[in-house]
Amino acid sequence: DQQVKQNSPSLSVQEGRISILNCDYTNSMFDYFLWYKKYPAEGPTFLISISSIKDKNEDGRFTVFLNKSAKHLSLHIVPSQPGDSAVYFCAAVNSGTYKYIFGTGTRLKVLA
Amino acid sequence: DTAVSQTPKYLVTQMGNDKSIKCEQNLGHDTMYWYKQDSKKFLKIMFSYNNKELIINETVPNRFSPKSPDKAHLNLHINSLELGDSAVYFCASSPRSSSYNEQFFGPGTRLTVL
Repeated sequence: DQQVKQNSPSLSVQEGRISILNCDYTNSMFDYFLWYKKYPAEGPTFLISISSIKDKNEDGRFTVFLNKSAKHLSLHIVPSQPGDSAVYFCAAVNSGTYKYIFGTGTRLKVLA
Repeated sequence: DTAVSQTPKYLVTQMGNDKSIKCEQNLGHDTMYWYKQDSKKFLKIMFSYNNKELIINETVPNRFSPKSPDKAHLNLHINSLELGDSAVYFCASSPRSSSYNEQFFGPGTRLTVL
């Protein structure tokens, strides 16, 4: 049972445009959500996070939106750059546990 | 300076062998993790240690045994390797005894069992 789902395995976007990566979850006990970026042959690196008490968190070109009623979060990258090309994982955790549940990732390709 | 390091980066071995993967973090973190990324790209948690104490032990075969000699190290020993153990194994650490923290990942160890 996959509690965190990223239904789009890949996404291509033109440089300078907005990239929107989506993530859905099923467990209403999750209260902290994270996005990671992964380049080939490297480990995931943390990008941005959001607590369930917020609906938006912004850090430079990256914004994460959380819709708790829909159990949905999204990552917006504006403007997209070729260096953003990577696999993006969303993750969720229930505070009080250390059990982070990851989605299967979305491969983003930003075209120059 | 490497924050979370893993050795070896690649490991090719025969079925039935016993192997270990080492992980070290120099970030002063309290909590360390092992994840397995299989061929379907699922990144699944296997174990977590907090200050050398096991806090998460997912349903992995008991052929897998983590060992934490100190809070900077979390090694993974695998006995009687099977074909299905082929995967990329990631070590990670996080700063405090709380879930509200991001994890710092190592570069991964690609294990191939022949």
